[in-house]
Amino acid sequence: GAGVSQSPSNKVTEKGKDVELRCDPISGHTALYWYRQSLGQGLEFLIYFQGNSAPDKSGLPSDRFSAERTGGSVSTLTIQRTQQEDSAVYLCASSLEFGAYEQYFGPGTRLTVT
Amino acid sequence: GQQLNQSPQSMFIQEGEDVSMNCTSSSIFNTWLWYKQEPGEGPVLLIALYKAGELTSNGRLTAQFGITRKDSFLNISASIPSDVGIYFCAGQIQGAQKLVFGQGTRLTINP
Repeated sequence: GAGVSQSPSNKVTEKGKDVELRCDPISGHTALYWYRQSLGQGLEFLIYFQGNSAPDKSGLPSDRFSAERTGGSVSTLTIQRTQQEDSAVYLCASSLEFGAYEQYFGPGTRLTVT
Repeated sequence: GQQLNQSPQSMFIQEGEDVSMNCTSSSIFNTWLWYKQEPGEGPVLLIALYKAGELTSNGRLTAQFGITRKDSFLNISASIPSDVGIYFCAGQIQGAQKLVFGQGTRLTINP
C-alpha cells in the first residue's frame, strides 16, 4: 500500500480484556516501530522490529505487552488484561531499514479501556 | 531516560505571522527530524537533518541542525490556517539506535 495502515482505528474494551492491534508497514520497509501517545503527550517508544526479530523490548511498559511480526511485514501488538492506564493512541511506524531514521507513521489506533 | 526539551509547548499566533520553535538536549545527536501531527492522524515527516549546521527548507518551513549537535530549530514563515497542528522534533542520539521525541509544540492560528 501507499502508507502505513493500522487497525482498528478505534477500540473500546473493558478492563481486564485482551486486545490486539495490527500494523501493516509500507511495502519493502524492513524496520517497524510501535509507539504509545497519551493524550496531549509526546511519543513513548515501545518496541522495534528489524525483520521479524525484536532486539530491544525494553520500552514495553509491562509483561502484559507483547508484539510479534511475521513474514517481515505485518505486526501485532497485544495487550493482555488491559488496565485503564493503557488508554492511549498506539502508533506504528516503518522505515526502509533500521538505521534509516526517516520513520513513516500510520494513523494510529485509539484504545479506550473502560 | 534521554530528554529532548521542546519549546514552546504551545503558540497562539495570527495568520501571516512567522513561527519559530526549537529542541535542545544535553546529548549529542546524529539526526534531527521534524514531524507535524494533525488530530486523529499519525505524525507526518516534514524535514530530516543529518549534518551539523545543515539548513534545509521545505516550502515555507526551514529547519537547522545546530552546530553543537545538541539542538535544532524549525521556522514556519507566513503562517496559514492549515499549519495548525502539533509539531514534534525527534532525534537519534549518538551511539543509540532509537529515536527520541520532544513533547511537541501545539500551534494555533487565529485567522
